[in-house]
Amino acid sequence: QSALTQPPSASGSPGQSVTISCTGTSRDVGGYNYVSWYRQHPGKAPKLMIYDVIKRPSGVPDRFSGSKSGNTASLTVSGLQTEDEADYYCKSYAGSNNWVFGGGTRLTVV
Amino acid sequence: QVQVVQSGTEVKKPGASVKVSCKVSQYRSLTDYFIHWVRQAPGQGLEWMGWINPHTGVTNYAQKFQGCVTMTRDTSTSTAYMEVSRLTSDDTAVYYCATHPRGGWYFDYWGQGTLVIVSS
Repeated sequence: QSALTQPPSASGSPGQSVTISCTGTSRDVGGYNYVSWYRQHPGKAPKLMIYDVIKRPSGVPDRFSGSKSGNTASLTVSGLQTEDEADYYCKSYAGSNNWVFGGGTRLTVV
Repeated sequence: QVQVVQSGTEVKKPGASVKVSCKVSQYRSLTDYFIHWVRQAPGQGLEWMGWINPHTGVTNYAQKFQGCVTMTRDTSTSTAYMEVSRLTSDDTAVYYCATHPRGGWYFDYWGQGTLVIVSS
């Protein structure tokens, strides 16, 4: 299956909000409410930030929120902080015990 | 606290094989999670490779990796293994393992990653 489509980059100033999109098809993003988002700092392992489209794991600030409409999921980061500067990846269940990642978005806090 | 610890950096020649290990500690039970493997080539994004049920040994591979990747496990040590055969320079990457809780649809704990370098 093809990777989900994310913008290569996004940016915002400290305190602002930024939204990152993740577009798939009816066979993955649109077909299941199983989209998750991961943050990856350089040289580090990814970290789960959002799961099941809208849920936040324990310890993840409520500045992070998720949503979905049709075949597109979105991650919104509010009140941007310098520590939010990282790569963000969406991932979706794609049926038949398969998963697919997005291409990743580099978030810059300027 | 769940810990996921992977084996160290490997340097291999083209055509060789590499086997990466992934030990999971403090998860409630082998029946409570699955293990996925994810590849990240230098400067590139994350790529899902497949998963293994550590309790039953059942596997499912992404189509791209079928025939060249084998996932196994040792239940006595709660360790999963991922072997890539017939290595080429395109296999140079960091390989991550991650747990996926039964009943969930996300990867909750990740290993630190294993760098595999394929070079003649």
